[in-house]
Amino acid sequence: QQQVKQSPQSLIVQKGGISIINCAYENTAFDYFPWYQQFPGKGPALLIAIRPDVSEKKEGRFTISFNKSAKQFSLHIMDSQPGDSATYFCAASHYYNAGNMLTFGGGTRLMVKP
Amino acid sequence: DTAVSQTPKYLVTQMGNDKSIKCEQNLGHDTMYWYKQDSKKFLKIMFSYNNKELIINETVPNRFSPKSPDKAHLNLHINSLELGDSAVYFCASSKEAGRYGYTFGSGTRLTVV
Repeated sequence: QQQVKQSPQSLIVQKGGISIINCAYENTAFDYFPWYQQFPGKGPALLIAIRPDVSEKKEGRFTISFNKSAKQFSLHIMDSQPGDSATYFCAASHYYNAGNMLTFGGGTRLMVKP
Repeated sequence: DTAVSQTPKYLVTQMGNDKSIKCEQNLGHDTMYWYKQDSKKFLKIMFSYNNKELIINETVPNRFSPKSPDKAHLNLHINSLELGDSAVYFCASSKEAGRYGYTFGSGTRLTVV
């Protein structure tokens, strides 16, 4: 059972456009929602994260929108650049057995065309 | 450099062999993890250690055994390798038991032939 569902699986955006990736979760115990960016041959790197007490968080061109009642959150990349081409993972974390366990969505492969 | 480092980066081995992957973090974190990324890029947790104690052990074959000699190291030993074990294995670490997300290593690509 996939606890965090991510869409779309792949996304092509023109340079300067807005990239939008969506995630939905079921477990109401999740209390931390990070997004990770992964380039080929590299490990996932933390991009931006949000906690459920706020509805939006912005860092530069990256914004997380969070809807607690709908159990959905999304990543918006404004003014998308070719260097943003990577695989993006949403994730959700909850306290589990003396630690916080991070569960990942299935990933979105983003390609930004010049 | 402060980081999570894994060795080796690539590992090609025959079915039935035993192999180990090493992981070290110099971030002063208290918790370390092993994740498996399959060919479809799906990331799934395997194990987690907090201060050298096993706290998460997901459904993983007994052939996989983690070992944490100290807080800065978490190694993964795999016995009797099978074709289906081919994947990229990521080590990660976190502070405060993962409350602020994880820092990942660059991965070990394991290919079983």
